[in-house]
Amino acid sequence: EDQVTQSPEALRLQEGESSSLNCSYTVSGLRGLFWYRQDPGKGPEFLFTLYSAGEEKEKERLKATLTKKESFLHITAPKPEDSATYLCAVQAGGGSNYKLTFGKGTLLTVNP
Amino acid sequence: DADVTQTPRNRITKTGKRIMLECSQTKGHDRMYWYRQDPGLGLRLIYYSFDVKDINKGEISDGYSVSRQAQAKFSLSLESAIPNQTALYFCATSDQGLYEQYFGPGTRLTVT
Repeated sequence: EDQVTQSPEALRLQEGESSSLNCSYTVSGLRGLFWYRQDPGKGPEFLFTLYSAGEEKEKERLKATLTKKESFLHITAPKPEDSATYLCAVQAGGGSNYKLTFGKGTLLTVNP
Repeated sequence: DADVTQTPRNRITKTGKRIMLECSQTKGHDRMYWYRQDPGLGLRLIYYSFDVKDINKGEISDGYSVSRQAQAKFSLSLESAIPNQTALYFCATSDQGLYEQYFGPGTRLTVT
């Protein structure tokens, strides 16, 4: 069974204090790993797809990296508007290639 | 305009009532999904559809039914609502050639 574990559950940072969020996964044949941002009461917003170990993607202050067992979302010099829940999801290959398995998320709070 | 829309955005209903949640998309995607999100449980797949004639159960389909009226429209019904169906419901879409899913803004459903 595919599993995704995100840590920490919650993270408080001061504005400008860089940090990383972790997503550990077990999946039979990774087709893709996805990062989403979710604001309270809103739908998840797609950020990145990573397909293979060693791949990196960047968007503004966010950088996602992937190894064979985990992914990191690095946040550089965060601002209060980066406060949100960050979700990680994996998609397996083969017959279940429609299915995303989500972690429970990391709630990030950036204080001014 | 939003690519994926959901109606209603909020709904309060009583136990035993039938309720329908609607989803429309302008992304031109073939695949559509219904998820529910509960605190501490993350996002879970209810039903998914690869095209108008292809509808499949997800991991938590009991108590729900769906209808794919057109490529762009996918509805979720609760035949007889119960309190533990109180949750946030999200519709999502994806393209056959890509793996990431794009989410609507959600419907907050409360069953009293």
